[in-house]
Amino acid sequence: EAQVTQNPRYLITVTGKKLTVTCSQNMNHEYMSWYRQDPGLGLRQIYYSMNVEVTDKGDVPEGYKVSRKEKRNFPLILESPSPNQTSLYFCASSSGTRSYEQYFGPGTRLTVT
Amino acid sequence: GENVEQHPSTLSVQEGDSAVIKCTYSDSASNYFPWYKQELGKGPQLIIDIRSNVGEKKDQRIAVTLNKTAKHFSLHITETQPEDSAVYFCAASRWDSNYQLIWGAGTKLIIKP
Repeated sequence: EAQVTQNPRYLITVTGKKLTVTCSQNMNHEYMSWYRQDPGLGLRQIYYSMNVEVTDKGDVPEGYKVSRKEKRNFPLILESPSPNQTSLYFCASSSGTRSYEQYFGPGTRLTVT
Repeated sequence: GENVEQHPSTLSVQEGDSAVIKCTYSDSASNYFPWYKQELGKGPQLIIDIRSNVGEKKDQRIAVTLNKTAKHFSLHITETQPEDSAVYFCAASRWDSNYQLIWGAGTKLIIKP
């Protein structure tokens, strides 16, 4: 089944404790992206990647890191999480060539206390 | 840069009635306009999209219209059903933007039985 998977789905952590949210897609997509969703603000892009070893900042990159060492994986790293990073996070992927359609993962609910 | 405004933020309609959600965009070079549906606890999913060379597109009970002169596009859902209850997002993109989508803030559609 073609899908985007994220782990963990739920995470409660404390300020300053480094964490990684994994994202993997099995559709051989070149394009991958991370969004955060907050009430009333819609989806805001954090980082995106056009292909392996190519990453770019989105609209709200501060406090986040990403890497794209393999085509299928695009982990999101919070080196020192803060409470304002409490949010719902989505990973998405797209073929980028035949279609603009983005396929989203199920989301990761992060709470930083 | 591009800005997408979406209205209303919440829409409540009687089952069987029609629902209309409207979006305006600022960048006249935008040429791709998708609509995504987000059901509770899931990631957004593409339901319909339209390109700037087309004024209207239909898919069963869903239609999207585009007015390039006024820079606005709308989602129309006819004969609404309970399963249409969800959050709907509009977005805009231009062909030279590396597939970057600029998102509206979302509309929560409630279908009353």
